[in-house]
This record gives sequence, C-alpha cells and structure tokens, in this order.
Amino acid sequence: AQKVTQAQTEISVVEKEDVTLDCVYETRDTTYYLFWYKQPPSGELVFLIRRNSFDEQNEISGRYSWNFQKSTSSFNFTITASQVVDSAVYFCALTNRKLIWGLGTSLAVNP
Amino acid sequence: DTGVSQNPRHKITKRGQNVTFRCDPISEHNRLYWYRQTLGQGPEFLTYFQNEAQLEKSRLLSDRFSAERPKGSFSTLEIQRTEQGDSAMYLCASSPSGGLADYNEQFFGPGTRLTVL
Repeated sequence: AQKVTQAQTEISVVEKEDVTLDCVYETRDTTYYLFWYKQPPSGELVFLIRRNSFDEQNEISGRYSWNFQKSTSSFNFTITASQVVDSAVYFCALTNRKLIWGLGTSLAVNP
Repeated sequence: DTGVSQNPRHKITKRGQNVTFRCDPISEHNRLYWYRQTLGQGPEFLTYFQNEAQLEKSRLLSDRFSAERPKGSFSTLEIQRTEQGDSAMYLCASSPSGGLADYNEQFFGPGTRLTVL
C-alpha cells in the first residue's frame, strides 16, 4: 500500500525563522515521484516541486530547499528565513498515476 | 488559457438534489483528474481521464457519482441525490500526457465548494 505521513499537523514560527516540514512515505514501487504542494488560504493548490525516486540530490529554489533520503523514505521541505506570505497548508504527495496525499502541515508565520 | 478553471466556485444545495460541476483543463493537457477534499484533510482521488477515456475510478466514487469528458476537453462531475456527507471541496487537476505521463505534475483549479443542507 502507498501512504504519505506528515507528522506535524501545525507549526507556528516567527518571521525570518527557518522551518522544516517533514514527510515520510511508504511504497513498494521502485519508480515513483514525490511532490510538494502549497495550499494558501485562498484554497488553490500550487505545485512546488517534483522529485523522482532515482534522483536523491537535494534541491534549492530561492528560500526553499528539499532533502530526499531514500534510505529513510523521507522527503523533507525547508523554508529559510520564513515570511508571512509562506503561511499556508503544505502537502506532500506520492504518485503512480494518481496522487496519494499526506494530511498536510499548516504553517503559520507570524510577524 | 492561464490555468484550470472550475465552475461554479460555490454550490449550496438541499439534500436529495442533483448537482453538476464543470472543469476546463489547461488546453494542451490530455489528463484530467477529480479529487475531493474535506476540511483538515488532504485531497482524495476520485477519478481520472486520458482524453475522453475514464481510466480509473476510486472506490470512493459511489454509484451516485458520475464523471464524463465527452470530447476530451472539459469534464463534468455529477452527484445525484446529494447527501450531507458529500459536502466538500471538489478539485480538478490536469497534466500533460507526454513523457512519463503517470508522474507528471498536476495543475489544480480553484475548486468547487459544495454545501449540502
């Protein structure tokens, strides 16, 4: 069975703090992709990143970085120097045709 | 064409009524997905299409739910005899079918929020 676990339900930080959102997945597939999406208060899901199971290189995009570790089945997401606009629910997802989603982590960045 | 659009954005209906939602995907995308999201949960997969063919349906999709994509462009999701448990956000997404189609990123519309009274 495929499953995505985001153990952190809610996180609250003060602006400019770094924050890491955890994601642990389960799958028996050897080929799979992992995703992160952002859902701001407006409700529309915004694609952030896609990573395939054969590429364990970390990725950095501006203030965002992702750490993929196959050995621990984790795909964690770090926001550096958080801003109020980062406040949203963040979802990790796993795919083989359809997306299997975690329950999301609600991030509140306070001024 | 700037993204996936969904109509209506909000729908309030009485229990037992039928409702229909529409999704217009990004024009060059061949794959179209429907998900349902309730408060505090991640989206749950309902069904998906490759062009006009419905390739997979979730067990969540009871016989009261039906989805179509008649010409491989827009899609409709109909719920018959609505129940209060159907209240949720219904999300549509599309993705290109090129490359590894099963793994392409999906682009989401704003959703249709259904409230069943």
